[in-house]
Amino acid sequence: QKEVEQDPGPLSVPEGAIVSLNCTYSNSAFQYFMWYRQYSRKGPELLMYTYSSGNKEDGRFTAQVDKSSKYISLFIRDSQPSDSATYLCAMMVGAGGTSYGKLTFGQGTILTVHP
Amino acid sequence: DGGITQSPKYLFRKEGQNVTLSCEQNLNHDAMYWYRQDPGQGLRLIYYSQIVNDFQKGDIAEGYSVSREKKESFPLTVTSAQKNPTAFYLCASRRSGTGPFLAKNIQYFGAGTRLSVL
Repeated sequence: QKEVEQDPGPLSVPEGAIVSLNCTYSNSAFQYFMWYRQYSRKGPELLMYTYSSGNKEDGRFTAQVDKSSKYISLFIRDSQPSDSATYLCAMMVGAGGTSYGKLTFGQGTILTVHP
Repeated sequence: DGGITQSPKYLFRKEGQNVTLSCEQNLNHDAMYWYRQDPGQGLRLIYYSQIVNDFQKGDIAEGYSVSREKKESFPLTVTSAQKNPTAFYLCASRRSGTGPFLAKNIQYFGAGTRLSVL
């Protein structure tokens, strides 16, 4: 079983829809949770990060972490065609764990927002 | 402009050949990473280096080698021992050291090199 599981999709939604992207994980030592966005043939770029459980909002994006269920989500409101990309969740253990900042990635979800 | 430059964008390898992928950063970051990305597999760590002249194997190091002779450079060699090298290779760097979480722990990625076998 992989440490981080992410539904690869693909996910296709109409413009304006609310998108929900999800990851589950098995390692309870993960404390930092990130979402990267990767456009086609480009490197990933950090979209959001959260520490431990809770919600974090940034414009149209909301990141949610439920450590008790080992489940994280990224919500995109009013989705736009420019949101079409692959979304990767990534996780890191907290201080006292590995010291080299290792990120463990999910498989990525391919999202297409059509006009 | 600060960033990470990977070259070439596309690379073709013949049977039995070693090829080297270049990664250069001008962010003054201490740590550098190499990942391999296959469809449906996410990013898998090949090698990482926290400081010059030191590097460690990641999860899938077999068939690859690296060097870290300069802070700004972390080349990856795909050797003939890597039997399935076709993939998208990504280099990343991280500042590390002390300071706020976001400043020291976020990994910044290059644009990638796509390697194919002839």
